[in-house]
Amino acid sequence: DGGITQSPKYLFRKEGQNVTLSCEQNLNHDAMYWYRQDPGQGLRLIYYSQIVNDFQKGDIAEGYSVSREKKESFPLTVTSAQKNPTAFYLCASSIDGETGELFFGEGSRLTVL
Amino acid sequence: AQSVTQLDSHVSVSEGTPVLLRCNYSSSYSPSLFWYVQHPNKGLQLLLKYTSAATLVKGINGFEAEFKKSETSFHLTKPSAHMSDAAEYFCVVSNSGGGADGLTFGKGTHLIIQP
Repeated sequence: DGGITQSPKYLFRKEGQNVTLSCEQNLNHDAMYWYRQDPGQGLRLIYYSQIVNDFQKGDIAEGYSVSREKKESFPLTVTSAQKNPTAFYLCASSIDGETGELFFGEGSRLTVL
Repeated sequence: AQSVTQLDSHVSVSEGTPVLLRCNYSSSYSPSLFWYVQHPNKGLQLLLKYTSAATLVKGINGFEAEFKKSETSFHLTKPSAHMSDAAEYFCVVSNSGGGADGLTFGKGTHLIIQP
């Protein structure tokens, strides 16, 4: 079945540590996105990529980094510079970046201890 | 600039009764509008979308929404609620280009279904 796989589903981190969240898709979509979700809030865009080896900052990119070396993969690193990293992180893809129709993974919940 | 307001943070209905989730938007362009649903600890799933075709849009699972430009609204409805409809619902507006990098998400409405 085609879809988006995020891992790990749950992750605990000590303050000062970097952590990388994985996102893989087999939908052959060009565009991929990372969102952050906090309780009672909508989704906020962290980074997005519309093509391999290229990505752009979203609304809340500070303290995060990404790479897009392969079409299928768009990992997100939460660095120690992110002051409030505890959140639910969602990866999504769209067929060409021109539509608002997104396909989402099941999310990764990061807790900083 | 664009924004979206979901007028209710929580809505509670009885099983078998109608559902109404309200959404108002503002946009400088002709918007594209979407409703997404999120079940607990899951990703979001597209319910339906409006992209300047018919103003009454039908989606999955019996949901529909009507685009009313004069009221800047895009309310989500369903004639008869089912227990499986309990979830978080997000109204989303896009700029005229419709690109996903231009999406603005509402804060969500939590739908509770009473047996």
